[in-house]
Amino acid sequence: DAGVIQSPRHEVTEMGQEVTLRCKPISGHNSLFWYRQTMMRGLELLIYFNNNVPIDDSGMPEDRFSAKMPNASFSTLKIQPSEPRDSAVYFCASSFKGDGNQPQHFGDGTRLSIL
Amino acid sequence: KNEVEQSPQNLTAQEGEFITINCSYSVGISALHWLQQHPGGGIVSLFMLSSGKKKHGRLIATINIQEKHSSLHITASHPRDSAVYICAVRSRGGADGLTFGKGTHLIIQP
Repeated sequence: DAGVIQSPRHEVTEMGQEVTLRCKPISGHNSLFWYRQTMMRGLELLIYFNNNVPIDDSGMPEDRFSAKMPNASFSTLKIQPSEPRDSAVYFCASSFKGDGNQPQHFGDGTRLSIL
Repeated sequence: KNEVEQSPQNLTAQEGEFITINCSYSVGISALHWLQQHPGGGIVSLFMLSSGKKKHGRLIATINIQEKHSSLHITASHPRDSAVYICAVRSRGGADGLTFGKGTHLIIQP
């Protein structure tokens, strides 16, 4: 079975450029999460969607960050304009939201470097 | 907001030793996750607990809801167990996103 697929795996770009990270969740999963991992702060939730609807975006650092989920099989996280402090590993995870707790399945992450 | 604390931050042990990693949290939860992150960076879910104890191979996870504490044990540790182990909680009240501990860097020496 295909897991959560993220692209690109690595991205290096200059500050001020627009960055778009992509995620394809596991088929049948209806919850999708975007996390960011840095050395200083560890893993943090940025935003999550249930049934393609953003539920909690309180972790999105500022207006430069935006996320969309146009359908059940695709989500994007966009940073515009990018800054060096956005350098981090960005993980996407998906799960099935039912009546009980379900494990989250993580993608391999996108390692983002802003110069 | 739930505060998640892990200890120890770093742990180096010899192959074969019994390993314990601890996690405590501040607010009631609906589930606690143990995750493993290898040097390559990928994150794998090891366990999800809401009560009691779970075992998978040489890994055992326990949780005490009253104490707000969980432990991850590794029996007969092996160098391939070297990784970062991360505790994460889903708070009670419906919020689905996870709050993470800072992780425990485990090195098992042959």
